[in-house]
Amino acid sequence: QVQLLQSGGGVVQPGRSLRLSCAASGFAFGSNGMHWVRQAPGKGLEWVAVIWYDGSEKYYADSVKGRFTISRDNSKSTMDLQMNSLRVEDTAVYYCARWGNDKVLDYWGQGALVTVSS
Amino acid sequence: DIVMTQTPLSSPVTLGQPASISCRSSQSLVHSDGNTYLSWLQQRPGQPPRLLIYKISNRFSGVPDRFSGSGAGTDFTLKISRVEAEDVGLYYCVQAAQFPWTFGQGTKVEIK
Repeated sequence: QVQLLQSGGGVVQPGRSLRLSCAASGFAFGSNGMHWVRQAPGKGLEWVAVIWYDGSEKYYADSVKGRFTISRDNSKSTMDLQMNSLRVEDTAVYYCARWGNDKVLDYWGQGALVTVSS
Repeated sequence: DIVMTQTPLSSPVTLGQPASISCRSSQSLVHSDGNTYLSWLQQRPGQPPRLLIYKISNRFSGVPDRFSGSGAGTDFTLKISRVEAEDVGLYYCVQAAQFPWTFGQGTKVEIK
């Protein structure tokens, strides 16, 4: 079965960096694009970034553009989100999600809490 | 960016009774390929979101048939025919017609 296992997360000071990872199993990872979506405490869902199945294209939300970098290693079935220059408003649970057929987010990781605080 | 607006934001429902959530987009979600990429997600308390409905009205694998979706263009609806206790949670519409993908604010379904 499809599984997305996330790691990383934690407490970090404003201006510092953090890296999240998402390890996939149960499907041909190199055949699917992947997304990051975040959810601030008590708030709704916000799309963060996407990477094409082969890494050829990447798009970011304006709120993270220039600070966050999405990447993937198809040989290891992993995807990462490098977060630099973190701000208090980046505090959220970050989810990785698979880009399924028909432009859906069909499987989600368990989430990783990132807290940006001094 | 496409703005997704859900109503109501809260829906207290009696067990066994129907529930309905509306989602309106600020522009048409019809893609150049002719498909309408509007999905619905369910998020139970403390859980990651789960895909329920895709392309307006298609139930994802394992989703009970009490969930149904309808609509076209800019107006969409998620209906639960008979609410069960396990349906409590937040429901989000999401558009994938263009980047950035955007979500509705979420509708909380709770039991009266």
